[in-house]
Amino acid sequence: SAVISQKPSRDICQRGTSLTIQCQVDSQVTMMFWYRQQPGQSLTLIATANQGSEATYESGFVIDKFPISRPNLTFSTLTVSNMSPEDSSIYLCSVVFKGGSYNEQFFGPGTRLTVL
Amino acid sequence: KQEVTQIPAALSVPEGENLVLNCSFTDSAIYNLQWFRQDPGKGLTSLLLIQSSQREQTSGRLNASLDKSSGRSTLYIAASQPGDSATYLCAVRPRKTSGSRLTFGEGTQLTVNP
Repeated sequence: SAVISQKPSRDICQRGTSLTIQCQVDSQVTMMFWYRQQPGQSLTLIATANQGSEATYESGFVIDKFPISRPNLTFSTLTVSNMSPEDSSIYLCSVVFKGGSYNEQFFGPGTRLTVL
Repeated sequence: KQEVTQIPAALSVPEGENLVLNCSFTDSAIYNLQWFRQDPGKGLTSLLLIQSSQREQTSGRLNASLDKSSGRSTLYIAASQPGDSATYLCAVRPRKTSGSRLTFGEGTQLTVNP
């Protein structure tokens, strides 16, 4: 079965810095998404990563804070910019595989971010 | 706006019990519904996907049902094991939206005691 990997798996960062999270898939996908899961809460969609164009952001999320790249069908990055403790969350990459059925989504292992 | 609710929020059962997790959603115009499992601090594992035209799906000891008209889904776990301990999330995908935007419930945290 296809593998979705994320780097780093976890990080502890200082306030005001930025962190870039990578998502790599070993087979082609039609859609890629980035989610945030704050402590004790469910998942919230940040944006849809569009290949070769700007991401589509959900209400409450902006490109300056969460710039996203997707240069090809199998790779995307999410940057969390100018971090504050409120950004401490698990960040999850999610994909729909090419040829997959009914837009079933699969998730990466997540990146656990702690901001001090 | 679609809202997804899961009851109970937490459940603790002895090993071997059969159990039911509940999921309700406010807008019945869905494309499909997915059940996921999440272990602490980890990503999500897709368990079952039910299309809006289907009534149930089965995988091993898991059985998910869907009653779209009443906005409900249940996840039945037979003969529970300690390894089933995790948070179970349901998520619905709307019919009208292009793409694959999921709306998640808050999850049910399951503990199966040996």
